[in-house]
Order: sequence, then C-alpha cells, then structure tokens
Amino acid sequence: KQEVTQIPAALSVPEGENLVLNCSFTDSAIYNLQWFRQDPGKGLTSLLLIQSSQREQTSGRLNASLDKSSGRSTLYIAASQPGDSATYLCAVSSGNTGKLIFGQGTTLQVKP
Amino acid sequence: EAGVAQSPRYKIIEKRQSVAFWCNPISGHATLYWYQQILGQGPKLLIQFQNNGVVDDSQLPKDRFSAERLKGVDSTLKIQPAKLEDSAVYLCASSSGRGSSYEQYFGPGTRLTVT
Repeated sequence: KQEVTQIPAALSVPEGENLVLNCSFTDSAIYNLQWFRQDPGKGLTSLLLIQSSQREQTSGRLNASLDKSSGRSTLYIAASQPGDSATYLCAVSSGNTGKLIFGQGTTLQVKP
Repeated sequence: EAGVAQSPRYKIIEKRQSVAFWCNPISGHATLYWYQQILGQGPKLLIQFQNNGVVDDSQLPKDRFSAERLKGVDSTLKIQPAKLEDSAVYLCASSSGRGSSYEQYFGPGTRLTVT
C-alpha cells in the first residue's frame, strides 16, 4: 500500500530565505509525482508535475526533484516571499486510474 | 475556460442529518473525482467516475456515503446520516481522461462541519 509522508508539518522562515520541503513515498512504482499548493479556503493548485522518467522540473522560483529509487522528492523554493505562505502537498500517482495519494502537507509561513 | 465548480462552499449540520454536495466539472472532462480532506491531513480519494460509471469507490463508506453522476457531467455526493468524523473539506476534481497522464483540476471544495 502506497504511503506518502511530508516533513516538516510546518515551517516558518524569514522572507528571502531559500527552503526545501520534503516528500517520501513507500512504493517506488509510481507514474508521476505532483506538488500542489493549497491556500486557506481554496482548492488545490498544481505547481509541478514530474513524470517517473524525469529527475526534476522547474517553474520560476520552484524546483522539484524526484529520486524514485530512494522514494523521495524535494520542492525547493528560492528567495521565499510572504505570498508563498500556504500549505504544500505532495501526491503520487501509482495506478493506471489516475488516483492521487497525498501526503499530509507542509504548512509554510514566510514572514516579512 | 471555467474551472471546477462546487456548491455549497460551507455547510453546518447536526449529526445524524443528511447533506448533499454538488460538483460541475470542467466542460468535456470525462473523469471526475471526489476527495475527502480532514483537517491536518492530505486529501483521500472517495470515488472516481469515468463518464457515468464508477472506476474506484474502494474507500467510500458505503453504509452512509453515496455518489452519482447520472448524465456523465455533474455529480452529487451524499452523506446520510452524518457523523462527527465526517467533518472535512470535500474536494471535487476532474480530468480530460482516465489515467496518470491526465492532470486533475480541483474545485474550491465544500467545508462540512458536523456538530
């Protein structure tokens, strides 16, 4: 059974700092891995999607890496801003139905 | 392009009452998902539809939860009777096809509080 874990559960950093969020999964047989952002009272916004054959994806100040063999992914946020404050969720797709299995999320606070 | 629409956005009910949520997916999206997100946890898939057929409902508590997508477009999720542990955000998502290569788009969710 696939399980996804995110560490830390919460993180508070000063503005401008570079930071790393971690995600681990127990079964390396995944199709892809996605990072989402969730703002309070809002739905999920997809940030980056990494296919199982890829090692990393970049979008602006965000960089996500994937190491299938070790069951790990990291989301790197460069030069953090107060607007980055949100909950970040990692999800893997393991089956052929598209079902996503989520971690519990990391709540990030970036202080001005 | 309009996103996934859900209503109501908030609902407060007493335990043992019934409640229904509605989802309208992105136009043309054949696959629809209902997820339950309990506070402090990640979303968990309750049920997945492909058009009007069920693909996966293995984690749906069928003694109290039901869902339908009669015409392969809109969907409703019902809880009857509700329990305190059903308090959560219910998220609807849709994708243009079935499978991991199709991106899921999420609605804003319905926050349910059971007292």
